[in-house]
Amino acid sequence: AQSVTQLDSHVSVSEGTPVLLRCNYSSSYSPSLFWYVQHPNKGLQLLLKYTSAATLVKGINGFEAEFKKSETSFHLTKPSAHMSDAAEYFCVVRGPGGFKTIFGAGTRLFVKA
Amino acid sequence: DSGVTQTPKHLITATGQRVTLRCSPRSGDLSVYWYQQSLDQGLQFLIQYYNGEERAKGNILERFSAQQFPDLHSELNLSSLELGDSALYFCASSVVGSSDEQYFGPGTRLTVT
Repeated sequence: AQSVTQLDSHVSVSEGTPVLLRCNYSSSYSPSLFWYVQHPNKGLQLLLKYTSAATLVKGINGFEAEFKKSETSFHLTKPSAHMSDAAEYFCVVRGPGGFKTIFGAGTRLFVKA
Repeated sequence: DSGVTQTPKHLITATGQRVTLRCSPRSGDLSVYWYQQSLDQGLQFLIQYYNGEERAKGNILERFSAQQFPDLHSELNLSSLELGDSALYFCASSVVGSSDEQYFGPGTRLTVT
C-alpha cells in the first residue's frame, strides 16, 4: 500500500528566507516521488522527481528535494523564497506501472514581502 | 504551456445529466491520465490509458468512464451527475509510464447544479 502525508497544510515565509515543505511517504515498492506546484487557476507543473538515482534532486526555480529512505521523507527546500513562489505544492508517490498514483493533500505556501 | 489541451474550460450542467471532457496529450506522449480535484477530496487519480489501453485505475466511480482513441486523444465521460461531482478535472500525459514526468493540462471546471 502507498500513502503520502504532507505535514503542513500552510507554510508562511518572508521573501528571501528559506522554504521547507515536508513530505513523508509510505510504499511497499521502490516508489517514484514527485513534487508539483499549482498556481491559482492553473494546472500543475512538475518541479522535480526522484526515481532511485541520486538522492538529492534538483528541480526548476531553485527548488530541490532530498530522498531519505531511513526517514521515508522527501522534503522540498529552496534557499531563498520569492514572491512568485506563492502557490500550492503537492507531493506525489507513484508505484511501478503508474498504479495508485497518490497526491498529498497539498501545502499552501505564502510569501510575505 | 504544457502542450496538453483540454476542452471545454468550463462546464455547467444539471444533476442527472451526462458530459464528456476531452483531452489532447502532448505530441509523442502515449499515456494519458485523468485526475479529479475537489475541495473535500483533494487531488485524486482516476484512470490511466496507455496507447489506447486502460493501464491503471484509481478512485474512479462506476458512473464515470474513459477511453483513449487511436489518435491518442482521450475522453472522460461522466454520467448521472451529482452535486458532489463538481470539481476541476485534469488530464495529464507522459511518454510512457510511472517514472516519467506527467504534463498537466489547464483543467476543465465542472459545476453541477
